Amino acid sequence: TQLLEQSPQFLSIQEGENLTVYCNSSSVFSSLQWYRQEPGEGPVLLVTVVTGGEVKKLKRLTFQFGDARKDSSLHITAAQPGDTGLYLCAGSLSGGYNKLIFGAGTRLAVHP
Amino acid sequence: NAGVTQTPKFQVLKTGQSMTLQCAQDMNHEYMSWYRQDPGMGLRLIHYSVGAGITDQGEVPNGYNVSRSTTEDFPLRLLSAAPSQTSVYFCASSYTPTTNYGYTFGSGTRLTVV
Repeated sequence: TQLLEQSPQFLSIQEGENLTVYCNSSSVFSSLQWYRQEPGEGPVLLVTVVTGGEVKKLKRLTFQFGDARKDSSLHITAAQPGDTGLYLCAGSLSGGYNKLIFGAGTRLAVHP
Repeated sequence: NAGVTQTPKFQVLKTGQSMTLQCAQDMNHEYMSWYRQDPGMGLRLIHYSVGAGITDQGEVPNGYNVSRSTTEDFPLRLLSAAPSQTSVYFCASSYTPTTNYGYTFGSGTRLTVV
């Protein structure tokens, strides 16, 4: 059982559509990060959220950290083929060193 | 370009062989870690280090050894390869061991054990 559950696992959409992916847990995280990974490459950090209720925007991407710091969402507006990839959320449990726990990821395909 | 460099990119081992996966970073990051990525399971932490001379186990440490003699290098050793160790391995580094700083990942080593 994953400590961080991501949904959906797979998402296939047309260019221009909006989408939301979710990252949920029963544990409280001191911070949560979102990464995007392309085939044959390592994950690349998109954003870090640290405060319950925090919302961060990165161009067409909007990230939200839940009030209780147990969940997060990533919303993409007007998806483009360049958004295609594996989206990973990763959380750091309160206390101790920076041991990030990763979800299994949401694989997004955006078709022209 | 500055970053995390992993070698080799691909490797095929026979069961029982040993090898070392290399990881080097030139960003003067204190924190380094090794993850393995398997389909449907995300990235799982193998070992990590919060500074030169200090290492600790992660979630799936069995069958792997690490050492951190310098800030720059963090090699991962497979002692006696098994088919269950077939995976993609990623090395990552961060400025500090504390939260809020993102990880910089290498491009991975794809290992197949036959």
